[in-house]
Amino acid sequence: DGGITQSPKYLFRKEGQNVTLSCEQNLNHDAMYWYRQDPGQGLRLIYYSQIVNDFQKGDIAEGYSVSREKKESFPLTVTSAQKNPTAFYLCASSSEISGNTIYFGEGSWLTVV
Amino acid sequence: GQNIDQPTEMTATEGAIVQINCTYQTSGFNGLFWYQQHAGEAPTFLSYNVLDGLEEKGRFSSFLSRSKGYSYLLLKELQMKDSASYLCAPNTGGFKTIFGAGTRLFVKA
Repeated sequence: DGGITQSPKYLFRKEGQNVTLSCEQNLNHDAMYWYRQDPGQGLRLIYYSQIVNDFQKGDIAEGYSVSREKKESFPLTVTSAQKNPTAFYLCASSSEISGNTIYFGEGSWLTVV
Repeated sequence: GQNIDQPTEMTATEGAIVQINCTYQTSGFNGLFWYQQHAGEAPTFLSYNVLDGLEEKGRFSSFLSRSKGYSYLLLKELQMKDSASYLCAPNTGGFKTIFGAGTRLFVKA
């Protein structure tokens, strides 16, 4: 089945540790995104990538890093520099062929204790 | 700047009709998406309007007025499962789509 797979679904980490969230898509989409959502809040864009080996900062990139070495993969690292990392993280993808409709993975819940 | 305005919460009764409004001000505009998001889950695509007017898709319809910077989502024959957040999301060009904070809809029996 075509889709976007995020892992892990739930993750607990100690404060000060870096953590990497995985995102893989088999939709052949060019663009990929990472969003953060806090309880009761909207989606905020962390990073996005339009093509392999290129990515741009979104609205809240500080404390996060990404890579886009393959079209299918767009992992997000939450570093210890991120002050309030506990949140719901959503990976997404889109393509011009599908009218730039953004499709989301199931999300990853990160809790830092 | 970019601004999206939609009500924070709405309550409606099962079987009724509800209209969720969205006004937007963006630098650049290609079209407007509506997404549904159940609590604790990812958003799912509902509709995309490019041209002015109403587009109907089953129980859900979406309207756009580009000149007024206004859109609404109309939900008919409400069901309990429609209790969710509804996100208004203008596409400002190419890959750039921005999301509003969403409207939480509560459907009561």
